[in-house]
Amino acid sequence: AQSVTQLGSHVSVSEGALVLLRCNYSSSVPPYLFWYVQYPNQGLQLLLKYTSAATLVKGINGFEAEFKKSETSFHLTKPSAHMSDAAEYFCAVIIQGAQKLVFGQGTRLTINP
Amino acid sequence: GAGVSQSPSNKVTEKGKDVELRCDPISGHTALYWYRQSLGQGLEFLIYFQGNSAPDKSGLPSDRFSAERTGGSVSTLTIQRTQQEDSAVYLCASSFSPLVADTQYFGPGTRLTVL
Repeated sequence: AQSVTQLGSHVSVSEGALVLLRCNYSSSVPPYLFWYVQYPNQGLQLLLKYTSAATLVKGINGFEAEFKKSETSFHLTKPSAHMSDAAEYFCAVIIQGAQKLVFGQGTRLTINP
Repeated sequence: GAGVSQSPSNKVTEKGKDVELRCDPISGHTALYWYRQSLGQGLEFLIYFQGNSAPDKSGLPSDRFSAERTGGSVSTLTIQRTQQEDSAVYLCASSFSPLVADTQYFGPGTRLTVL
């Protein structure tokens, strides 16, 4: 079965530091991969998605992610954290032929001043 | 333009009562999804509608859950005889087309509390 694993339910970084949120997927076929962000009491907003084009995907708010097939990973990074980045981040996958998003458990990002 | 809207934003009900949750997708979007977000289960898929095709109900947790989509637009998720384990945030999403990689846009959710 398709699954997504996010390493670390809670990540804390200092303002201005590198943000790295980890996501690994299990799939026997190349999947489509997504990162969503959820701010408190709001719905999910798409940050970026991988659809088998370029392996390095740039998203909104300075985030990017790199698809690494050999590592079955799709880690999310941002060079310099901002206080407004504090939120919960979800990695998700869709396999070809299906329509539903399968989500990881989420990573809560805290930014320290 | 307007995003996905959901109503009510909060719903408190007593165990055993029926509830209806409403979703208004983005105008022109043909695909509509329901997900549930709970502390114990995380984010999980419930049901998917695409145009006039039969919905994919594979994520509905029990036969107490049902959903319909009228006129290819508004959708209602109904939970009968609510149980405390139904307490969660119910999220609706829509996408422009049925293409697998098409972005799903999420509404703010309905927080359901079953006492």
